[in-house]
Amino acid sequence: DVKVTQSSRYLVKRTGEKVFLECVQDMDHENMFWYRQDPGLGLRLIYFSYDVKMKEKGDIPEGYSVSREKKERFSLILESASTNQTSMYLCASSFAPSGDYNEQFFGPGTRLTVL
Amino acid sequence: KNEVEQSPQNLTAQEGEFITINCSYSVGISALHWLQQHPGGGIVSLFMLSSGKKKHGRLIATINIQEKHSSLHITASHPRDSAVYICAAANNDMRFGAGTRLTVKP
Repeated sequence: DVKVTQSSRYLVKRTGEKVFLECVQDMDHENMFWYRQDPGLGLRLIYFSYDVKMKEKGDIPEGYSVSREKKERFSLILESASTNQTSMYLCASSFAPSGDYNEQFFGPGTRLTVL
Repeated sequence: KNEVEQSPQNLTAQEGEFITINCSYSVGISALHWLQQHPGGGIVSLFMLSSGKKKHGRLIATINIQEKHSSLHITASHPRDSAVYICAAANNDMRFGAGTRLTVKP
């Protein structure tokens, strides 16, 4: 079975702190994604990566950055957390040659609260 | 207007009832996904379909490509079906609906 794990289920941080959310997948997937999920808005794509050291902005990249130093690990970074970044963060991965689509497998999510 | 619209937003049913959740999309797709998210956050894929109908146990998913519409049906609903159901339109990326929160009461 594909396994996508996230470093924390719940996280509480203060405004201005630097926050790291880690995601690891064990299926050798090329593609990895970071979403945030807010009530009434559904999942929105923050960033994705289709290869090591490659990253692409999604729909809402402002206030976030990402790092993919190893194929299995994709990190989401909040350089200076703000209260409007309080949300559920979901990581996903998929195996897909460039230009094709394949099923995404999701991690359990990290519920981040910024005070 | 969102590219993927789901209805209803919230749905409460009695155990045993037949349930339908609807999804309309305005983008071109290679596949339409139905996902289930249980309390606590984890998302699992229920169906991926590009035409016709698929069935898995008590769950049935249908899609009408011409009308850009898909439905998820649950027969003989059970409290353990309580979850958020999310429709996602897939092409080069995925566009998600806002989800339908289903509560099935015993």
